[in-house]
Amino acid sequence: AQSVTQLDSQVPVFEEAPVELRCNYSSSVSVYLFWYVQYPNQGLQLLLKYLSGSTLVKGINGFEAEFNKSQTSFHLRKPSVHISDTAEYFCAVTSGGTDKLIFGTGTRLQVFP
Amino acid sequence: GAGVSQSPRYKVAKRGQDVALRCDPISGHVSLFWYQQALGQGPEFLTYFQNEAQLDKSGLPSDRFFAERPEGSVSTLKIQRTQQEDSAVYLCASSFLTSQGNTIYFGEGSWLTVV
Repeated sequence: AQSVTQLDSQVPVFEEAPVELRCNYSSSVSVYLFWYVQYPNQGLQLLLKYLSGSTLVKGINGFEAEFNKSQTSFHLRKPSVHISDTAEYFCAVTSGGTDKLIFGTGTRLQVFP
Repeated sequence: GAGVSQSPRYKVAKRGQDVALRCDPISGHVSLFWYQQALGQGPEFLTYFQNEAQLDKSGLPSDRFFAERPEGSVSTLKIQRTQQEDSAVYLCASSFLTSQGNTIYFGEGSWLTVV
């Protein structure tokens, strides 16, 4: 069965600093990978997704992620964060020919001025 | 509307009460999903519809949970005899196509508190 691990439950960072949110997945078959962001009291919004091709994926709001098959990772990065990036970030995976998303437990990014 | 719409946004139910949560997917979207998100957790899959057909209900936690999408558009998630452990945000999501890798759009959720 697929699973997603987000090792960091909280990541505090100062504004304009770089940030990396870690995600590892477990699957024996090919997968599609996603990062979603959830602002307070709102639904989930897609940041980016990896389906195939280039392992470096660029998303909205200046975020990017790199698919690493050998390490089964899909870490999310941003070179310079803003206060408005404060939110919960979820890594997710689908496989097996369906769109059923399996989510990690989330990482809360807290950006301080 | 432009996005996935869910109602009610907030619901407080007494233990044992039945509740119904409604989801209006994006017009024309074939696939519809329900997820349950407990406080501090990631969303967990409940059930999946392709048009009016419920193709996967493996995530429904008990037979108190029931979902339907009779005309292939609006969906209702019903919880009978609510328990405190049912307190969570219930997220509805939809996508246009049925193949893997499509962008899935989420609603803002229905926040259920069982007291």
